[in-house]
Amino acid sequence: DTEVTQTPKHLVMGMTNKKSLKCEQHMGHRAMYWYKQKAKKPPELMFVYSYEKLSINESVPSRFSPECPNSSLLNLHLHALQPEDSALYLCASSQEAAGGVGSYEQYFGPGTRLTVT
Amino acid sequence: GESVGLHLPTLSVQEGDNSIINCAYSNSASDYFIWYKQESGKGPQFIIDIRSNMDKRQGQRVTVLLNKTVKHLSLQIAATQPGDSAVYFCAENKYGNKLVFGAGTILRVKS
Repeated sequence: DTEVTQTPKHLVMGMTNKKSLKCEQHMGHRAMYWYKQKAKKPPELMFVYSYEKLSINESVPSRFSPECPNSSLLNLHLHALQPEDSALYLCASSQEAAGGVGSYEQYFGPGTRLTVT
Repeated sequence: GESVGLHLPTLSVQEGDNSIINCAYSNSASDYFIWYKQESGKGPQFIIDIRSNMDKRQGQRVTVLLNKTVKHLSLQIAATQPGDSAVYFCAENKYGNKLVFGAGTILRVKS
């Protein structure tokens, strides 16, 4: 199984709502990632979890709150988002998030298309 | 500053022809690069990678070339097929498995 699954596929939320995005992998990977991708743009890294601990936060606003309950699951909690946060949110996983320059292939999920109204 | 970028935003090729997608990088310290393919409505899919101690690496119908002298990376697709139509990203793998993606090239295959 080389699949990363994400739910929901689409999400529409108001600026006062609280919602969560979910990601799951069963490849035994110990590193998981959240990316944000705007239309016609490349993915941009938001967070990296390594062994269930947050290792990289790319200065993401606090209205995005990641959580890694166990090695297979990754959540992204959303609260008080802005319309400009509308984007495709991608989850990825890899065998490791190496301390040095790694060579571990990242497997991406299909993403959650988020629209903030 | 550091950047990973592409020369051509859109590439149209005839089915059966070879495709070449280019990428420039500016950080001479980078030592690992990856090409991803992203189809509409899907997440990026790993195609091939290369380390800086190599000049060339081949996969199935794909070849990646690395020219460290001019800091240039290219992806060659042989006998391009309609299923190759997608956006192609080069990416630089940095410390802690942090990926920095280039701007992307749209590949359109004409039948």
